[in-house]
Amino acid sequence: AQSVTQPDIHITVSEGASLELRCNYSYGATPYLFWYVQSPGQGLQLLLKYFSGDTLVQGIKGFEAEFKRSQSSFNLRKPSVHWSDAAEYFCAVGSNDYKLSFGAGTTVTVRA
Amino acid sequence: KAGVTQTPRYLIKTRGQQVTLSCSPISGHRSVSWYQQTPGQGLQFLFEYFSETQRNKGNFPGRFSGRQFSNSRSEMNVSTLELGDSALYLCASSLSGGARETQYFGPGTRLLVL
Repeated sequence: AQSVTQPDIHITVSEGASLELRCNYSYGATPYLFWYVQSPGQGLQLLLKYFSGDTLVQGIKGFEAEFKRSQSSFNLRKPSVHWSDAAEYFCAVGSNDYKLSFGAGTTVTVRA
Repeated sequence: KAGVTQTPRYLIKTRGQQVTLSCSPISGHRSVSWYQQTPGQGLQFLFEYFSETQRNKGNFPGRFSGRQFSNSRSEMNVSTLELGDSALYLCASSLSGGARETQYFGPGTRLLVL
């Protein structure tokens, strides 16, 4: 069965600093990987996704993620964080049984 | 194109009651999924529908049920509500539910059971 681990429950970062959110997955076949962001009181918005090809994928809002098969990881990065990036971030793996399996999420706090 | 809409946005119910939540997918999307989000359990998959057929169901008791209509709109029902059912219920839609497809989420229905 597929599973996703996000080791960091909460990260605090200064505005303008870089951000990296970790994600490890367990999936028997080729993983279909996603990063979503959830602002308070909102639904989930897709940041980026990876299926195959170039292991560095670019997303919206200046985010990027790198797929590393050898480490079963799909970490999310942003070079310079803005106050509006404060939110909860979820890594997910898609499977052939029509569902997404989510990690527990990482809450990002941005300090001025 | 309009996004996924969910109604109502907020609900307060008491234990033992039942509740029905509604989801209208993006136009042209035929797959609708439901997820429960709680602080303790995170995001958990409830079920997925495509062309009025349930293709997968998560590990939830039979009190949780759903259906999909011919226009792809979906409803989920929770009977005999328990305190632990308090959660944000998220609906997502995609073209056909494939593993590679992006699922587009609605804003959710926040259910509080007293």
